[in-house]
Amino acid sequence: EVQLVESGGGLVKPGGSLRLSCAASGFTFSNAWMSWVRQAPGKGLEWVGRIKSKTDGGTTDYAAPVKGRFTISRDDSKNTLYLQMNSLKTEDTAVYYCSREAIAVAGFDYWGQGTLVTVSS
Amino acid sequence: QSALTQPASVSGSPGQSITISCTGTSSDVGSYNLVSWYQQHPGKAPKLMIYEVSKRPSGVSNRFSGSKSGNTASLTISGLQAEDEADYYCCSYAGSSTPWVFGGGTKLTVL
Repeated sequence: EVQLVESGGGLVKPGGSLRLSCAASGFTFSNAWMSWVRQAPGKGLEWVGRIKSKTDGGTTDYAAPVKGRFTISRDDSKNTLYLQMNSLKTEDTAVYYCSREAIAVAGFDYWGQGTLVTVSS
Repeated sequence: QSALTQPASVSGSPGQSITISCTGTSSDVGSYNLVSWYQQHPGKAPKLMIYEVSKRPSGVSNRFSGSKSGNTASLTISGLQAEDEADYYCCSYAGSSTPWVFGGGTKLTVL
């Protein structure tokens, strides 16, 4: 059974940093492209960024609002995806989901339960 | 990259059919047959319902169908059931630099 479990959310002040983790199981994590998607309270889904598998170059792409502030990385030995968030703004407050970006379906076929990040003074 | 445009809400009675539109541009929906749809119940993670415009993942009811014309994709739910009441989001591939863009979401109410 595929499982994605996020952790690391919490309350942080504007300008602060936070690192989210996503532990994956039930599939070959090293072959997967992984994305982070966020959802502000009462709002819609917003794609944050992704990392390709090392086989496909391991490169990252980011949405414009987070480019230069957020960094996605992966540790295939630990089956874990990370999202390092720096220079946080109040508008980054959201539930952050990790998801598997399945090339076979050109979409996001598995999602974690999400972790809440609140940026407030 | 702007969000895709969806109606804020739609409603229908049990047994009826509804259609949710998703309008993008020639840079996303219009250029790629890579539109997917997600169902999200309150407090839950999204669930993939349709991919590549009209394909259903295993386990998704055939009451859900998708289509596309030009820059607009559509999700149709036939034979509405109470459990279909949820938020629905479209998503399209938008090119290599910023690959994915979501719609603003549509709240479906089953009357």
